[in-house]
Amino acid sequence: AQSVAQPEDQVNVAEGNPLTVKCTYSVSGNPYLFWYVQYPNRGLQFLLKYITGDNLVKGSYGFEAEFNKSQTSFHLKKPSALVSDSALYFCAVRDSKGGSYIPTFGRGTSLIVHP
Amino acid sequence: ETGVTQTPRHLVMGMTNKKSLKCEQHLGHNAMYWYKQSAKKPLELMFVYNFKEQTENNSVPSRFSPECPNSSHLFLHLHTLQPEDSALYLCASSPSQNVDQPQHFGDGTRLSIL
Repeated sequence: AQSVAQPEDQVNVAEGNPLTVKCTYSVSGNPYLFWYVQYPNRGLQFLLKYITGDNLVKGSYGFEAEFNKSQTSFHLKKPSALVSDSALYFCAVRDSKGGSYIPTFGRGTSLIVHP
Repeated sequence: ETGVTQTPRHLVMGMTNKKSLKCEQHLGHNAMYWYKQSAKKPLELMFVYNFKEQTENNSVPSRFSPECPNSSHLFLHLHTLQPEDSALYLCASSPSQNVDQPQHFGDGTRLSIL
């Protein structure tokens, strides 16, 4: 079975400071991990994914995420936050085992970047 | 422009009405999905179609009826809805159901049931 957790409902950060949005997962096989962002009144937009290879994945809008197998985590990061990064962020996981091709989404984390 | 277009963007209907939500993608994708997004709740998968065939029905009440006439179009037919069905309904597509492919989402239909 696959599951994903986003332990923070909300993250507050000042503009220009680094940001981290946390995600942990549980799978039977290997994880395929995704981050999406949702701006107000919009659908989810794909940011980045980890399938295999380098543990540091770079994505859109200057975001990156670090895959940590021992900690079963895939935290989203950005070195310098912008006010325009304020949005809802979703982590999703698919398991290489178990036959399910449907991703499981986290509950979402609201990122608020203060000017 | 997401490549996935949903219409209408907003819909207000009474509990006895019948309406349909439409989703269209011209990305050449073969898998399409309906999700329900309610405030304070996780994203709920409703239906999945792959090459026009329904492959998932996540215990959705029969008052929601999906239709996929071709790989580019997906409909959600609504009838006799309940107030708790008020939510944002999101359509998504992906090239196939391979686990390493991300989904492309539309901007949703905001549904309000009176």
